[in-house]
Amino acid sequence: EAGVTQFPSHSVIEKGQTVTLRCDPISGHDNLYWYRRVMGKEIKFLLHFVKESKQDESGMPNNRFLAERTGGTYSTLKVQPAELEDSGVYFCASSPGTVGTQYFGPGTRLLVL
Amino acid sequence: ILNVEQSPQSLHVQEGDSTNFTCSFPSSNFYALHWYRWETAKSPEALFVMTLNGDEKKKGRISATLNTKEGYSYLYIKGSQPEDSATYLCAFNNAGNMLTFGGGTRLMVKP
Repeated sequence: EAGVTQFPSHSVIEKGQTVTLRCDPISGHDNLYWYRRVMGKEIKFLLHFVKESKQDESGMPNNRFLAERTGGTYSTLKVQPAELEDSGVYFCASSPGTVGTQYFGPGTRLLVL
Repeated sequence: ILNVEQSPQSLHVQEGDSTNFTCSFPSSNFYALHWYRWETAKSPEALFVMTLNGDEKKKGRISATLNTKEGYSYLYIKGSQPEDSATYLCAFNNAGNMLTFGGGTRLMVKP
């Protein structure tokens, strides 16, 4: 069974540009989560989808971040315009139910110059 | 704001040594405590999900205990091997679905 996949693995952009990150969850997992780890800090929650609906977006830092999950399959996280402080590793995770293990992807390493 | 603390931040041990690290978390509104093993550039690998006070779980040479009343969990590695080198993350799950992570313990095992 394929795990959670994320694309791209790395992205280097300039301040003010737009970047879109993609996450493909494990097939059949209704729950999809985005997390972020900025340099030297803890991994922090951004938001949670159940199928195509946003269940909890309390961790989204500001309105420069937009997450979508059309059709309840893959999800995208767009940062527009990117700022220096957005640099970090963006993780996606999925789970079959709302409890239990969350399975993580390898992350997208974003560097904003 | 939920605080999840892990100690130590980093640890160097010799191959064959046994070691343990601590995760402390809020004792109220507890739902589950997760342990992950993370090597940089790879996916964090789920080790354990623990839900009941007094839970003990084991996976090979790695085991974990849980005390929800006092708000801590220990992760033990018996006979550390170089391939155990990684960052070990704990994450607290209250009634919501989001995980609140600690800062991790970075383990380095020298051959």
